[in-house]
Amino acid sequence: RKEVEQDPGPFNVPEGATVAFNCTYSNSASQSFFWYRQDCRKEPKLLMSVYSSGNEDGRFTAQLNRASQYISLLIRDSKLSDSATYLCVVSFNTGFQKLVFGTGTRLLVSP
Amino acid sequence: GAVVSQHPSRVICKSGTSVKIECRSLDFQATTMFWYRQFPKQSLMLMATSNEGSKATYEQGVEKDKFLINHASLTLSTLTVTSAHPEDSSFYICSARDYSLNTEAFFGQGTRLTVV
Repeated sequence: RKEVEQDPGPFNVPEGATVAFNCTYSNSASQSFFWYRQDCRKEPKLLMSVYSSGNEDGRFTAQLNRASQYISLLIRDSKLSDSATYLCVVSFNTGFQKLVFGTGTRLLVSP
Repeated sequence: GAVVSQHPSRVICKSGTSVKIECRSLDFQATTMFWYRQFPKQSLMLMATSNEGSKATYEQGVEKDKFLINHASLTLSTLTVTSAHPEDSSFYICSARDYSLNTEAFFGQGTRLTVV
Protein backbone atom coordinates (compact mmCIF):
# COMPACT_ATOMS: atom_id res chain seq x y z
CA ARG A 1 0.00 0.00 0.00
CA LYS A 2 1.34 3.43 -0.89
CA GLU A 3 2.03 5.78 1.99
CA VAL A 4 -0.03 8.54 0.42
CA GLU A 5 -2.82 7.73 -2.01
CA GLN A 6 -4.72 10.02 -4.31
CA ASP A 7 -7.14 9.63 -7.18
CA PRO A 8 -4.97 10.44 -10.20
CA GLY A 9 -7.85 11.97 -12.15
CA PRO A 10 -7.91 13.86 -14.39
CA PHE A 11 -10.76 15.93 -13.09
CA ASN A 12 -12.25 17.91 -15.97
CA VAL A 13 -14.36 20.82 -14.74
CA PRO A 14 -15.72 24.03 -16.27
CA GLU A 15 -14.67 27.43 -15.05
CA GLY A 16 -16.51 28.42 -11.91
CA ALA A 17 -17.05 24.87 -10.73
CA THR A 18 -16.27 23.58 -7.27
CA VAL A 19 -14.01 20.56 -7.16
CA ALA A 20 -12.78 18.41 -4.27
CA PHE A 21 -9.74 16.19 -4.01
CA ASN A 22 -9.22 13.47 -1.46
CA CYS A 23 -6.13 11.87 -0.06
CA THR A 24 -5.48 9.09 2.42
CA TYR A 25 -2.27 8.31 4.23
CA SER A 26 -1.23 5.05 5.80
CA ASN A 27 1.19 6.06 8.54
CA SER A 28 -0.61 7.20 11.66
CA ALA A 29 2.64 8.79 12.85
CA SER A 30 2.30 11.44 10.16
CA GLN A 31 2.33 14.85 11.79
CA SER A 32 2.31 17.54 9.15
CA PHE A 33 0.19 17.76 6.05
CA PHE A 34 0.33 19.89 2.95
CA TRP A 35 -1.11 20.43 -0.47
CA TYR A 36 1.37 21.26 -3.20
CA ARG A 37 0.66 22.31 -6.74
CA GLN A 38 2.79 21.13 -9.63
CA ASP A 39 2.55 22.50 -13.14
CA CYS A 40 3.71 20.38 -16.04
CA ARG A 41 7.49 19.88 -16.03
CA LYS A 42 7.92 22.29 -13.12
CA GLU A 43 8.86 21.95 -9.50
CA PRO A 44 6.10 21.57 -6.89
CA LYS A 45 5.05 24.68 -5.02
CA LEU A 46 3.43 24.83 -1.62
CA LEU A 47 -0.25 25.65 -1.91
CA MET A 48 -1.18 25.41 1.74
CA SER A 49 -0.54 23.57 4.94
CA VAL A 50 -3.38 21.53 6.41
CA TYR A 51 -4.35 21.92 10.04
CA SER A 52 -6.54 19.73 12.22
CA SER A 53 -9.12 22.48 12.57
CA GLY A 54 -9.31 22.93 8.83
CA ASN A 55 -8.12 26.04 7.10
CA GLU A 56 -9.05 28.27 4.23
CA ASP A 57 -7.03 30.44 1.89
CA GLY A 58 -9.20 32.35 -0.52
CA ARG A 59 -10.91 29.85 -2.79
CA PHE A 60 -9.03 26.91 -1.29
CA THR A 61 -10.15 24.98 1.79
CA ALA A 62 -8.22 22.11 3.31
CA GLN A 63 -9.51 19.61 5.85
CA LEU A 64 -7.79 16.94 7.90
CA ASN A 65 -9.39 13.95 9.59
CA ARG A 66 -6.75 12.24 11.70
CA ALA A 67 -9.04 9.45 12.83
CA SER A 68 -9.71 8.42 9.23
CA GLN A 69 -6.25 9.46 8.03
CA TYR A 70 -7.88 11.51 5.34
CA ILE A 71 -7.09 14.91 3.85
CA SER A 72 -9.14 16.94 1.44
CA LEU A 73 -8.79 20.03 -0.70
CA LEU A 74 -11.75 22.01 -1.97
CA ILE A 75 -11.39 24.54 -4.74
CA ARG A 76 -14.27 26.92 -5.28
CA ASP A 77 -14.95 29.04 -8.36
CA SER A 78 -12.31 27.23 -10.43
CA LYS A 79 -10.14 29.33 -12.72
CA LEU A 80 -8.35 28.26 -15.88
CA SER A 81 -5.11 28.93 -14.04
CA ASP A 82 -6.00 26.29 -11.46
CA SER A 83 -5.23 23.60 -14.04
CA ALA A 84 -2.33 21.66 -12.56
CA THR A 85 -1.53 18.54 -10.59
CA TYR A 86 -2.29 18.74 -6.88
CA LEU A 87 -0.02 16.76 -4.63
CA CYS A 88 -0.99 15.59 -1.18
CA VAL A 89 2.07 15.54 1.07
CA VAL A 90 2.69 14.26 4.58
CA SER A 91 5.65 14.64 6.86
CA PHE A 92 6.82 13.16 10.14
CA ASN A 93 8.11 15.39 12.89
CA THR A 94 11.06 13.12 13.46
CA GLY A 95 14.48 13.01 11.94
CA PHE A 96 14.78 15.45 9.08
CA GLN A 97 11.07 15.72 8.44
CA LYS A 98 11.20 14.34 4.94
CA LEU A 99 8.16 14.92 2.78
CA VAL A 100 6.25 11.96 1.36
CA PHE A 101 4.33 12.79 -1.79
CA GLY A 102 1.17 11.32 -3.19
CA THR A 103 1.01 10.63 -6.91
CA GLY A 104 -1.06 13.73 -7.46
CA THR A 105 -4.48 14.52 -8.85
CA ARG A 106 -4.63 16.26 -12.18
CA LEU A 107 -7.13 19.07 -12.61
CA LEU A 108 -8.16 20.47 -15.98
CA VAL A 109 -10.34 23.58 -15.91
CA SER A 110 -11.94 24.42 -19.24
CA PRO A 111 -13.62 27.62 -20.47
CA GLY B 1 10.35 33.80 -0.31
CA ALA B 2 13.50 31.78 -0.17
CA VAL B 3 15.06 30.71 -3.43
CA VAL B 4 16.67 27.45 -4.38
CA SER B 5 18.52 27.40 -7.66
CA GLN B 6 19.08 24.12 -9.48
CA HIS B 7 21.37 23.75 -12.46
CA PRO B 8 21.26 22.61 -15.20
CA SER B 9 17.56 22.67 -15.98
CA ARG B 10 17.99 20.21 -18.78
CA VAL B 11 20.78 17.86 -19.80
CA ILE B 12 21.27 15.19 -22.40
CA CYS B 13 24.14 12.79 -21.98
CA LYS B 14 25.42 9.59 -23.48
CA SER B 15 25.14 6.24 -21.74
CA GLY B 16 28.06 5.54 -19.50
CA THR B 17 28.90 9.16 -18.77
CA SER B 18 28.37 11.01 -15.48
CA VAL B 19 26.22 14.04 -14.91
CA LYS B 20 26.44 16.49 -12.03
CA ILE B 21 23.43 18.47 -10.84
CA GLU B 22 23.87 21.43 -8.50
CA CYS B 23 21.42 22.75 -5.98
CA ARG B 24 22.05 26.08 -4.28
CA SER B 25 20.17 27.93 -1.60
CA LEU B 26 20.51 31.59 -2.50
CA ASP B 27 19.33 33.47 0.57
CA PHE B 28 19.32 31.03 3.43
CA GLN B 29 21.47 28.31 4.91
CA ALA B 30 20.29 24.90 3.85
CA THR B 31 21.23 22.61 6.68
CA THR B 32 19.28 19.83 5.02
CA MET B 33 18.76 19.10 1.35
CA PHE B 34 16.58 16.44 -0.20
CA TRP B 35 16.95 14.91 -3.63
CA TYR B 36 13.89 13.59 -5.43
CA ARG B 37 13.29 11.81 -8.69
CA GLN B 38 10.07 11.93 -10.64
CA PHE B 39 9.23 9.64 -13.54
CA PRO B 40 6.44 10.63 -15.98
CA LYS B 41 2.98 10.55 -14.40
CA GLN B 42 4.44 9.42 -11.10
CA SER B 43 5.01 11.15 -7.82
CA LEU B 44 8.20 12.59 -6.45
CA MET B 45 10.22 9.83 -4.85
CA LEU B 46 12.79 10.76 -2.25
CA MET B 47 16.21 9.45 -3.16
CA ALA B 48 18.32 10.76 -0.32
CA THR B 49 18.64 13.30 2.46
CA SER B 50 21.87 15.19 2.84
CA ASN B 51 23.14 17.28 5.71
CA GLU B 52 25.98 19.73 5.46
CA GLY B 53 29.28 18.12 6.25
CA SER B 54 28.03 14.57 6.67
CA LYS B 55 27.22 11.59 4.51
CA ALA B 56 23.87 11.44 2.80
CA THR B 57 21.15 9.09 3.97
CA TYR B 58 19.77 7.10 1.05
CA GLU B 59 16.29 5.70 0.73
CA GLN B 60 15.83 1.99 0.30
CA GLY B 61 16.55 0.87 -3.24
CA VAL B 62 18.67 3.88 -4.18
CA GLU B 63 22.26 2.98 -5.03
CA LYS B 64 24.58 5.31 -3.16
CA ASP B 65 27.52 4.47 -5.43
CA LYS B 66 25.52 5.41 -8.49
CA PHE B 67 23.96 8.59 -7.13
CA LEU B 68 26.74 10.46 -5.40
CA ILE B 69 25.63 13.29 -3.14
CA ASN B 70 27.91 15.93 -1.74
CA HIS B 71 26.76 18.64 0.66
CA ALA B 72 30.03 20.39 1.36
CA SER B 73 28.61 23.78 2.34
CA LEU B 74 25.45 25.27 3.77
CA THR B 75 24.45 26.61 0.38
CA LEU B 76 25.40 23.88 -2.06
CA SER B 77 24.58 20.24 -2.59
CA THR B 78 25.41 18.23 -5.69
CA LEU B 79 24.01 15.03 -7.11
CA THR B 80 26.18 13.11 -9.55
CA VAL B 81 24.59 10.39 -11.61
CA THR B 82 27.46 8.07 -12.45
CA SER B 83 27.60 5.76 -15.44
CA ALA B 84 24.21 6.95 -16.57
CA HIS B 85 21.84 4.58 -18.36
CA PRO B 86 18.68 5.37 -20.31
CA GLU B 87 16.56 4.16 -17.38
CA ASP B 88 18.09 6.98 -15.30
CA SER B 89 16.31 9.47 -17.55
CA SER B 90 14.00 11.35 -15.21
CA PHE B 91 13.19 14.67 -13.58
CA TYR B 92 15.48 15.28 -10.62
CA ILE B 93 14.45 17.90 -8.05
CA CYS B 94 16.24 19.16 -5.00
CA SER B 95 14.66 20.67 -1.95
CA ALA B 96 16.30 22.61 0.83
CA ARG B 97 15.35 23.82 4.26
CA ASP B 98 16.96 25.43 7.24
CA TYR B 99 16.36 22.74 9.80
CA SER B 100 17.49 24.92 12.69
CA LEU B 101 14.87 27.54 11.88
CA ASN B 102 12.26 24.94 10.98
CA THR B 103 11.55 26.55 7.63
CA GLU B 104 9.38 24.93 5.02
CA ALA B 105 11.12 23.03 2.25
CA PHE B 106 11.86 25.08 -0.86
CA PHE B 107 12.28 23.38 -4.21
CA GLY B 108 14.71 23.91 -7.02
CA GLN B 109 13.41 24.20 -10.56
CA GLY B 110 14.34 20.62 -11.36
CA THR B 111 16.66 19.00 -13.87
CA ARG B 112 15.35 16.96 -16.75
CA LEU B 113 17.94 14.30 -17.53
CA THR B 114 17.83 12.37 -20.78
CA VAL B 115 20.35 9.59 -21.29
CA VAL B 116 20.76 8.46 -24.86
